[in-house]
Amino acid sequence: GAVVSQHPSWVICKSGTSVKIECRSLDFQATTMFWYRQFPKQSLMLMATSNEGSKATYEQGVEKDKFLINHASLTLSTLTVTSAHPEDSSFYICSARAPGGYTFGSGTRLTVV
Amino acid sequence: DAKTTQPTSMDCAEGRAANLPCNHSTISGNEYVYWYRQIHSQGPQYIIHGLKNNETNEMASLIITEDRKSSTLILPHATLRDTAVYYCIPARGNQFYFGTGTSLTVIP
Repeated sequence: GAVVSQHPSWVICKSGTSVKIECRSLDFQATTMFWYRQFPKQSLMLMATSNEGSKATYEQGVEKDKFLINHASLTLSTLTVTSAHPEDSSFYICSARAPGGYTFGSGTRLTVV
Repeated sequence: DAKTTQPTSMDCAEGRAANLPCNHSTISGNEYVYWYRQIHSQGPQYIIHGLKNNETNEMASLIITEDRKSSTLILPHATLRDTAVYYCIPARGNQFYFGTGTSLTVIP
């Protein structure tokens, strides 16, 4: 079946630095990808919709200058957490519409120390 | 987007059927009902989806009431690997808004 790959699986960074997370569709093209965030013991929260070749659409309350999204090709979307702080520590998950349905990546665990 | 109500948690004996209900009384006519599950620290996994008719695949069955205000996901023979959080998500487009889901524990 269709696979969405995320990299890295986990990352630890220092407060104030930026971290980039990649989301790739491995065997299909994805004009639209989605980014979610999940805090411990909570549900997934949609952050933004990433559109190939255009600006991302952010959900209300999500800072677009802090969470930079780039969707430069039909198989790659990136989420950059800029000037990360401990409160940005979370599980970040991407998804894309694949043939047969919406597929999610395996997630990236970000810890900011 | 329609809001959903699901039991917070459920237990099921291994080998028995697990029936997970979902109330989505505000669902609109063009919204499908999707079911996903999430095993701890992994991305959500697609299970099944439907619009009006009942659906069945190799993983589960989906029963949607005639008025479409609720649905039930049925795992016919639950195994320990089915322990997960199950999400019912009404959606018409690409964007999924997850509710709190049901934490299913399959007991040996």
